[in-house]
Amino acid sequence: EVQLAQSGAVVKKPGESLKISCQSSGYDFDTYWIGWVRQMPGKGLECMGVIYPGDSETRYSPSFQGQVTISVDKSISTAYLQWSSLKASDTAMYYCARGRWPQWIDAFDIWGQGTMVSVSS
Amino acid sequence: EIVLTQSPNTLSLSPGEGASLSCRASQAISTSYLAWYQQRPGQAPRLLIYGASNRAAGIPDRFSGSGSETDFTLTISRLEPEDFAVYYCQRYGRPPLFGQGTKLEIK
Repeated sequence: EVQLAQSGAVVKKPGESLKISCQSSGYDFDTYWIGWVRQMPGKGLECMGVIYPGDSETRYSPSFQGQVTISVDKSISTAYLQWSSLKASDTAMYYCARGRWPQWIDAFDIWGQGTMVSVSS
Repeated sequence: EIVLTQSPNTLSLSPGEGASLSCRASQAISTSYLAWYQQRPGQAPRLLIYGASNRAAGIPDRFSGSGSETDFTLTISRLEPEDFAVYYCQRYGRPPLFGQGTKLEIK
């Protein structure tokens, strides 16, 4: 079964760093784009960026360029989203999702369960 | 940068009725790169339609997509109780981009 399993909910303080994960199983991790999607409380979906695990090519949405870092570790079929200095406005649910077709930035057909990040002093 | 605008923001209908949700792009996009998602409360989004009109695996045939260039529509015939949710359109390719969503609520 194709699955994306995300790390658990976290509570952090402003200024702290954070790295959340998305572990894939059931398919060839290297050949499908993975995206990260933010959903702030009561708000809509925003794509932060996408990464191709095969060569780590990454494309950030303009609003998130320079604000976060997306990476992968192919050896453990895991994608990451990280912040160097969190802000209260980073409080949100974060989803990882897989592109539907190999090698294409395709529609997201498989989604992780989400990771809730809460940032508060 | 392209903007996707969904309308209406909220749609109030009764089970058994049909629904029509709109997604308008600020510039023409390839039909191949338009998707629709459903998000129920407390759940991750679910892919319904890709390539503007192709149903994803396991999606009932009461869901259909149409449109081209700047105007796209998600149609749900004969609403079931589980269809009341928020729906998003998305342009994929490049960094993907979502519309702001339409909430389909029970009247």
